[in-house]
Amino acid sequence: EIVMTQSPATLSVSPGERATLSCRASQSVSSNLAWYQQKPGQAPRLLIYGASTRATGIPARFSGSGSGTEFTLTISSLQSEDFAVYYCQQSNNWPLTFGQGTKVEIK
Amino acid sequence: QITLKESGPTLVKPTQTLTLTCTFSGFSLSTSRVGVGWIRQPPGKALEWLAFIYWNEDRRYSPSLKSRLTITKDTSKNQVVLTMANMDPVDTATYYCAHRLLGGGQNFDYWGQGTLVTVSS
Repeated sequence: EIVMTQSPATLSVSPGERATLSCRASQSVSSNLAWYQQKPGQAPRLLIYGASTRATGIPARFSGSGSGTEFTLTISSLQSEDFAVYYCQQSNNWPLTFGQGTKVEIK
Repeated sequence: QITLKESGPTLVKPTQTLTLTCTFSGFSLSTSRVGVGWIRQPPGKALEWLAFIYWNEDRRYSPSLKSRLTITKDTSKNQVVLTMANMDPVDTATYYCAHRLLGGGQNFDYWGQGTLVTVSS
């Protein structure tokens, strides 16, 4: 099973600032990496797939990069609606696995 | 427009079998490459993938839960059913079903609202 490790656990950022979230895989997942956003009481929302492709309707301030074992989600200028928990998920191997999440909170 | 909705009991007793139904619209599970997965999330914790079924009946399970899980589909009813045997309090979680993103690997682009299942005697 591929273990996904996200860092940091919590990220405190001021609105308008840039946020950089990391996800590391225990072995290569090629570019088969997705990012989801989850707000309290809501289902996750797909942001990025294929490591860097934005899902339909996702604003351009969200970008993903990386391949192999190291991945990054960048939110270029945080808006109030972006404060949430973010999960990465690999789909290179079964079983599908998620990271433990990064909470982006208001500084 | 794709929608999914989970239904089932909100409370089950330890050792009982949980049966959850995902009723969907906007796509067909008889169409090539389409798939539906189940994911759960214990309160305050991370997401955990459970099971997946493809249009062609191919099924995948979490190895740690495989002996307890069964996923099936009813194409005529637009439903996917997940059963989990021998429920335990640690299985208390919100259970989601989700649609596989076409052309994007095994990722999920549409999710149900989730259903909270509590395991307690």
